[in-house]
Amino acid sequence: DIQMTQSPSSLSASVGDRVTITCRASQSISSFLNWYQQKSGKAPKLLIYAASSLQGGVPSRFSGSGSGTDFTLTISSLQPEDFATYYCQQSYSTLTFGGGTKVEIK
Amino acid sequence: EMQLVESGGGLVQPGRSLRLSCAASGFTFDDYAMHWVRQAPGKGLEWVSSISWNSNSIGYAASVKGRFTISRDNAKNSLYLQMNSLRAEDTALYYCAKDIMLVSGSGSYFVYWGQGTLVTVSS
Repeated sequence: DIQMTQSPSSLSASVGDRVTITCRASQSISSFLNWYQQKSGKAPKLLIYAASSLQGGVPSRFSGSGSGTDFTLTISSLQPEDFATYYCQQSYSTLTFGGGTKVEIK
Repeated sequence: EMQLVESGGGLVQPGRSLRLSCAASGFTFDDYAMHWVRQAPGKGLEWVSSISWNSNSIGYAASVKGRFTISRDNAKNSLYLQMNSLRAEDTALYYCAKDIMLVSGSGSYFVYWGQGTLVTVSS
């Protein structure tokens, strides 16, 4: 199975900060990479699909980039409602998720 | 409104069985592949199993292969997960999730998720 490694596993940031989360695949997955946001006690929410396509209704401060093995999720200006855990997920082969990145208030 | 509602979770002893159900509404159920994804307490997401729209294509994570069986009844708009030989490490919140495609594969992702049903395996 393809392993997905996210970094950092957690970070502290302030409202208004630019935040970048990275996801690395153990082999090339083309652009078959999706990002989810999960708040405590809630189901995950799709943010980005196919590496860089913004899901409908998701604020434009979220963006995704990358292809092959290295991907990033960027939040251009962190808002209070963005404090959550973020997961990448590859769908190139048997689905796997990254370990998650918890974004906390600084 | 599209909805996925899981049920069937509970406390079960190691080695026993449990069957989870997911009732779907608000969309044409047999137009999409479906998945089970789980999350152990305080841990990350783990894909468990997928089933194509017509049940012809099924996949399992290595951690559950041979013990879990996914199935669906399109007439009842329902997805199931039969879990046998349960272990403590199967303790998790189990979500059902709707694929965007007929068959899980390259390009699959999940827009709709249920709220999950909790399975606790303990003696």
